[in-house]
Parts: sequence; structure tokens; C-alpha cells
Amino acid sequence: DQQVKQNSPSLSVQEGRISILNCDYTNSMFDYFLWYKKYPAEGPTFLISISSIKDKNEDGRFTVFLNKSAKHLSLHIVPSQPGDSAVYFCAAKEYNQGGKLIFGQGTELSVKP
Amino acid sequence: GAGVSQTPSNKVTEKGKYVELRCDPISGHTALYWYRQSLGQGPEFLIYFQGTGAADDSGLPNDRFFAVRPEGSVSTLKIQRTERGDSAVYLCASSLGAGGETQYFGPGTRLLVL
Repeated sequence: DQQVKQNSPSLSVQEGRISILNCDYTNSMFDYFLWYKKYPAEGPTFLISISSIKDKNEDGRFTVFLNKSAKHLSLHIVPSQPGDSAVYFCAAKEYNQGGKLIFGQGTELSVKP
Repeated sequence: GAGVSQTPSNKVTEKGKYVELRCDPISGHTALYWYRQSLGQGPEFLIYFQGTGAADDSGLPNDRFFAVRPEGSVSTLKIQRTERGDSAVYLCASSLGAGGETQYFGPGTRLLVL
């Protein structure tokens, strides 16, 4: 039972354009959502997060949107840069479950010059 | 400062053997997590420690898997009677606490069971 789903395994975007990565979840007890970025042969690196009491969080070129009624979140990267090429994982934490994270399958982003 | 380190970086073993994977968290981080990542999948939670005790081991797949953190710092993930299906990248992460604090991941140990 996949509680966090990233239905697009890959995404290709032109440099300077917007990248939109999507994530859906099924567990209504999730209260905190995160995006991690992963380069080959490295561990995931935290990118940005959002609490379930908010619908938007912005940090520089990265913005995460949360739609609780649709159980959907998205990561927007504007403008996209070649160095953003990596695998992006959506993750969620359930209320009262400590730090245990549930990850999606990942989306591989390729930003072409 | 130093990040999370994991040793070995790669481990090849034969089916049925015992393996130990080590994780050195960031100094001062009280929470430590183990995840397993199979090819084409996201990290899958195994266990997490708050201090020396396992606060949640619900992700351990069966009793062949065991983890310890005897002094509240370094942790070892132990796998007995390895099976080919255990082949994966084993990731360790640490955080200051076990609430909403950011988890910092190590580079992982790539385990291959032949």
C-alpha cells in the first residue's frame, strides 16, 4: 500500500523554465511534508518542507504547494537550472509518529541547457 | 562540520552470510534512522532510535534484521542469513530530535547479496 505516490518517474525541462513535480498521498494523518533531492551515489538532501496548516511555502527558487482536500502537493522550481537535475523525493510524516518518513518513489528531473 | 558517515560504502556477500552496516551520525543528534532503498523506489523506513532506545522498529521486515545504538551515537544494522532480496542501498539519517527536525542522510551502504 503506497501511501505517498509520485506518478511521474521522469521529467525533462528546458533551462530557465518552470519545473513542476507532483506528489499524491492517501493518509489523512500526515501533518508534515518534505521534498528531498538526491544525486547519484549520495544520500538524499533536504530541500523544503510544509506543515499541513499551510498551503504554500517558498524558499528562493523553490515553492511547495499543498492541497489538503485533494491530498496533493507539488514542488515548483523557477527558473530551472542544469544543476537541479537529480531525483526528487516527496516524503510525509504522520502526526505522533516521531520522525518516521514515508517516501514516494521519486521523480528524475533533467534540466537541459 | 562532518555529516553522517556510513561504512562500508559497498558490501558484497553471499546468501546466508551475516553482515553489519555502521552509521556515524552528526555529533549531538539524538535521533537516528535507518532506511532501505531498492532500485527505482524511494527510501523505505526500517527503524529509528531516540537516544539508545529503538522508538519505532515497525519497518524491520523480519527477525533477521536487528539494529543497535548502545551509547546513543553510532548505530549498527545487523542482517542475519542474508537473502538476495536484501540487496539494496541502506541509508542512515540523523536529526537533532525526533519531531519535525530535518533529517540529514549519509551516502548509504550498497549491499549486494549473491
